[in-house]
Amino acid sequence: SQTIHQWPVTLVQPVGSPLSLECTVEGTSNPNLYWYRQAAGRGLQLLFYSVGIGQISSEVPQNLSASRPQDRQFILSSKKLLLSDSGFYLCARRTGASNTGELFFGEGSRLTVL
Amino acid sequence: AQSVTQLGSHVSVSEGALVLLRCNYSSSVPPYLFWYVQYPNQGLQLLLKYTTGATLVKGINGFEAEFKKSETSFHLTKPSAHMSDAAEYFCAVTSNDYKLSFGAGTTVTVRA
Repeated sequence: SQTIHQWPVTLVQPVGSPLSLECTVEGTSNPNLYWYRQAAGRGLQLLFYSVGIGQISSEVPQNLSASRPQDRQFILSSKKLLLSDSGFYLCARRTGASNTGELFFGEGSRLTVL
Repeated sequence: AQSVTQLGSHVSVSEGALVLLRCNYSSSVPPYLFWYVQYPNQGLQLLLKYTTGATLVKGINGFEAEFKKSETSFHLTKPSAHMSDAAEYFCAVTSNDYKLSFGAGTTVTVRA
């Protein structure tokens, strides 16, 4: 199984409030995990990736952070949301053992910041 | 570093007509290329991928793509569009590192 669970599915938050989006992966152990964001009318922006517990690489300096407290759990957080944080957040895992495999995506979490 | 450029943010085709979505890549090493489809409010689903070997790759839903190294292209085609093909399509590239880089996407609309 390559099921990826993301929650919440939709979220409306005021500016300045905190954020926690969770991603849980079923299947093989030690997957490479990714957080992407889709803003309206834009493509996919890679935010973070993780190759193991506690190992986080940030692609874009911003208001967000990520953590990987367990092998199959990847969390996206913010202490204070900005309007520009609105978007569709996608968690993904790499398939296969190599770095040439495709990504398998969850169904996404839609965040609206008001 | 690798990147992809998708030519045309919107494509409109008639039902039954050819679908052609263009993707050009940039990579300093042999690339691995992918096409994904996204329906509204859903995650991305893999259509097809090119790793090595045959340059014409067949995917799901009748789509195929051809890797042309000389043109640094990986265009996606489908001979006959169906209403269910209306979606957003993304081209992506990786070069044996941890990251996939995605294009900006092409939205396909299908006219009855």
